[in-house]
Amino acid sequence: EIVLTQSPLSLPVTPGEPASISCRSSQSLLHSNGYNYLDWYVQKPGQSPQLLIYLGSIRASGVPDRFRGSGSGTDFTLKINRVEAEDVGVYYCMQTLQTLALTFGGGTKVEIK
Amino acid sequence: QVQLVQSGAEVKKPGASVKVSCKASGNSFTISYIHWVRQAPGQGLEWMGVVNPSGASATYAQNFQGRVTMTRDMSKNTVYMDLSGLRSDDTAVYYCARRGRTELADRKYYYYMDVWGLGTTVTVSS
Repeated sequence: EIVLTQSPLSLPVTPGEPASISCRSSQSLLHSNGYNYLDWYVQKPGQSPQLLIYLGSIRASGVPDRFRGSGSGTDFTLKINRVEAEDVGVYYCMQTLQTLALTFGGGTKVEIK
Repeated sequence: QVQLVQSGAEVKKPGASVKVSCKASGNSFTISYIHWVRQAPGQGLEWMGVVNPSGASATYAQNFQGRVTMTRDMSKNTVYMDLSGLRSDDTAVYYCARRGRTELADRKYYYYMDVWGLGTTVTVSS
């Protein structure tokens, strides 16, 4: 099983300031096709999770460009350029390299200071 | 746009079984794989498994093998997740999610969870 470790656990942010979340994998998520098999999801308060980023860096439909995913292999980062109040929630990374054993990171809670 | 409507909350006793349904609208549902993900109170997300479009085949996470069964009734556009031998630590919100896809080069696809249900709360308590 691929283990994903996220940090920090909690991230208080001032609106307008940047935020950065790390996701580290116990195995490389770089597929032989050159893509990194890592997604980011956000679960806003009281809501179901929603897809934010896939293949490490591609924003899902409708996701604002202040969200940027980066990284390769075992180290990945989700950056929010300028945090807005609506970005509050728990952010999860998820690996899809092992298609029959998907795993999520533990989550990072982004909150407004 | 596909929407996934899940069945209502359940309260079960330890040792019992629960069957959660996930009904979809939209044509693409009939050709979509459906994942199940659960979330214990105050905890993170845990993938349980995925069922194929016909319901004839499902893959389960190791933690649930032997206790979970995922099926679908194509005539009702509905997918089911059956969890047996319930324990108190099975208390959670259970989500269904559609497997969406995007095309890569060479007609290969990448898959993600692009549409989620609102979740079904299952409480296991004596």
